[in-house]
Amino acid sequence: KAGVTQTPRYLIKTRGQQVTLSCSPISGHRSVSWYQQTPGQGLQFLFEYFSETQRNKGNFPGRFSGRQFSNSRSEMNVSTLELGDSALYLCASSLQGFYEQYFGPGTRLTVT
Amino acid sequence: AQSVTQLDSQVPVFEEAPVELRCNYSSSVSVYLFWYVQYPNQGLQLLLKYLSGSTLVKGINGFEAEFNKSQTSFHLRKPSVHISDTAEYFCAVSDLSGGATNKLIFGTGTLLAVQP
Repeated sequence: KAGVTQTPRYLIKTRGQQVTLSCSPISGHRSVSWYQQTPGQGLQFLFEYFSETQRNKGNFPGRFSGRQFSNSRSEMNVSTLELGDSALYLCASSLQGFYEQYFGPGTRLTVT
Repeated sequence: AQSVTQLDSQVPVFEEAPVELRCNYSSSVSVYLFWYVQYPNQGLQLLLKYLSGSTLVKGINGFEAEFNKSQTSFHLRKPSVHISDTAEYFCAVSDLSGGATNKLIFGTGTLLAVQP
C-alpha cells in the first residue's frame, strides 16, 4: 500500500508570493491533517480535513488555508508569504475512528 | 488545554546500552498517547500508541512505553540501542477536547544520539 505522498518536496519562494502544497493520503483514508515544523516552534497543528470539511483548525493566521477534494487529496495554501513561514510542512492521514496518523515526507518551504 | 513536555532535548547513549526518553503530559480529559520518530530529512513514523487497555505498550524496532496515569507520564524505553536508532523522537497526545478530531499536540522532541 502506498504511503502518504507530498508534492513538491522542496520549494523556494519569495516574500509576498503565495504557495500551494499538495498531499495524497493513503488509499481509503479520509482524514488529512497538516502540521508545520520549525526549529523554534516545533510541530504545530494547522488544520484537519475530513470528507471535504475542515474539522479542526490550529492557531494560524488566515493566510493559511486548505481544502480537501472528493478523492481525499488535500492542498494547503499560504498567501503573502513571510520569512517566518519557512518550515517543513507535514501532511498526515488516518482512517475515520482511528487515531494513529501516517505522515508523509513533508514539503520543505524556504521563503527568501 | 493539553500539553506535552519532553524533559530532555538530547540524550547521548552508547550502543547496546538501555535508554529511556521521558514524556509528561497535561490533560483534564482522557488521552491517547503516541511516540513518533523522525529520521533526518524525513517525515514522522509511528513507533507506538496507547489508546486504552494494558499500560505497557510495545512498538516497532524493540521500543516500548508505559502509560502512568497517576504521574501523567508516557516514557519510551529500549533495552539495547543501535546506531540506527539515532533520530529525533516526539511524544504526542490527541486533543480530544474538540470532539472528533485527529489533532495531535507534540512535545518539543528528544534527539537520541547513539555513539559507538
